Amino acid sequence: DQQVKQNSPSLSVQEGRISILNCDYTNSMFDYFLWYKKYPAEGPTFLISISSIKDKNEDGRFTVFLNKSAKHLSLHIVPSQPGDSAVYFCAASWGGNDMRFGAGTRLTVKP
Amino acid sequence: NAGVTQTPKFQVLKTGQSMTLQCAQDMNHNSMYWYRQDPGMGLRLIYYSASEGTTDKGEVPNGYNVSRLNKREFSLRLESAAPSQTSVYFCASSAFPTGANVLTFGAGSRLTVL
Repeated sequence: DQQVKQNSPSLSVQEGRISILNCDYTNSMFDYFLWYKKYPAEGPTFLISISSIKDKNEDGRFTVFLNKSAKHLSLHIVPSQPGDSAVYFCAASWGGNDMRFGAGTRLTVKP
Repeated sequence: NAGVTQTPKFQVLKTGQSMTLQCAQDMNHNSMYWYRQDPGMGLRLIYYSASEGTTDKGEVPNGYNVSRLNKREFSLRLESAAPSQTSVYFCASSAFPTGANVLTFGAGSRLTVL
């Protein structure tokens, strides 16, 4: 039972354009959402998070949007850079420790 | 500045063999986790430990045991390895509940069971 879903396995964008990565969830109890970035042969690293009491959080080129009624969140990267090429995981948790991850989306930013 | 350290990085086992994956963190974090990553499945939680002396099952605990040896160390044991346990295993820690529930991951341990 995959409670966090990333339906696009891959995404390719041109350098300088916007990258939009999407994530859907089924558990309405989730109250904290995160995005992690993973390079090959490394562990995932934290990118940005959002609490369920907000609908937007920005950090430099990265913005996360949360639509609770649709159970949907998205990550916008503007402008995209070749160094952003990685696998991006969406994650969600509620009440604390049990954090669930999506299957990941591989982003390729072409120069 | 080690963060989360996992050993070994690579291991090949035969079906039925046992082994232990070791994990240590130096950030004084309360919570520690073990995940496995499989193609198309993302990261799935095996076990977690909210504090020293406590452990809880995650999504896929069958075939695994864990020990929270002290605040720094959290080990994952496969008693009788099966080919279905071929995967990349990640240990992680977080400051939760005294801090944000943001996971810091180790570099991973690639396990192959023949």
